[in-house]
Amino acid sequence: AQSVTQLGSHVSVSEGALVLLRCNYSSSVPPYLFWYVQYPNQGLQLLLKYTTGATLVKGINGFEAEFKKSETSFHLTKPSAHMSDAAEYFCAVSDRRGTGTASKLTFGTGTRLQVTL
Amino acid sequence: DAGITQSPRHKVTETGTPVTLRCHQTENHRYMYWYRQDPGHGLRLIHYSYGVKDTDKGEVSDGYSVSRSKTEDFLLTLESATSSQTSVYFCAIFGAFGYTFGSGTRLTVV
Repeated sequence: AQSVTQLGSHVSVSEGALVLLRCNYSSSVPPYLFWYVQYPNQGLQLLLKYTTGATLVKGINGFEAEFKKSETSFHLTKPSAHMSDAAEYFCAVSDRRGTGTASKLTFGTGTRLQVTL
Repeated sequence: DAGITQSPRHKVTETGTPVTLRCHQTENHRYMYWYRQDPGHGLRLIHYSYGVKDTDKGEVSDGYSVSRSKTEDFLLTLESATSSQTSVYFCAIFGAFGYTFGSGTRLTVV
């Protein structure tokens, strides 16, 4: 079984401030981890993903996330927030696909990021 | 663009009527998924498919059925729609670049 916990359903930051969105996961197997962004009335866009290798992952729009196995965390950060970053962000975990079985993606409940002037 | 389209984009239906949503992909991917998105719940898996005629239940499958008679199409059916099934439905595929989502279907059951 796998699960994701996103701490904080709403986060507000000032433009230019650090963005930190928290994600903790639970997985019985080594996970694949993802962050998605959703703008109002749109679908989900992949920000970044961790599969194997380097634990610091860089994504689009200046976002990055660090996989910390000991803390079961995959927090999303951006050094300087822009107004255009206002959106909902979802952390997700996927089990590693076994032979003949489908990998499934489990989402957190989302964090809505507000950016103020 | 991974070539995944959902139809319809919006639908309003009455309680008790059957509804079918369609997900179409042009990439020949084996794995396809249906999720629903509700405030405070994120996205939850309804059903998924790992090949033609091969499907399985997700965490919120009650009241839904699926069919996959061709690789490119994955249909989600609400046999008798209820107000609790008002939601935004997303289809996804899993390919070499990971998961890609469709634009969603907003379903309202009145």
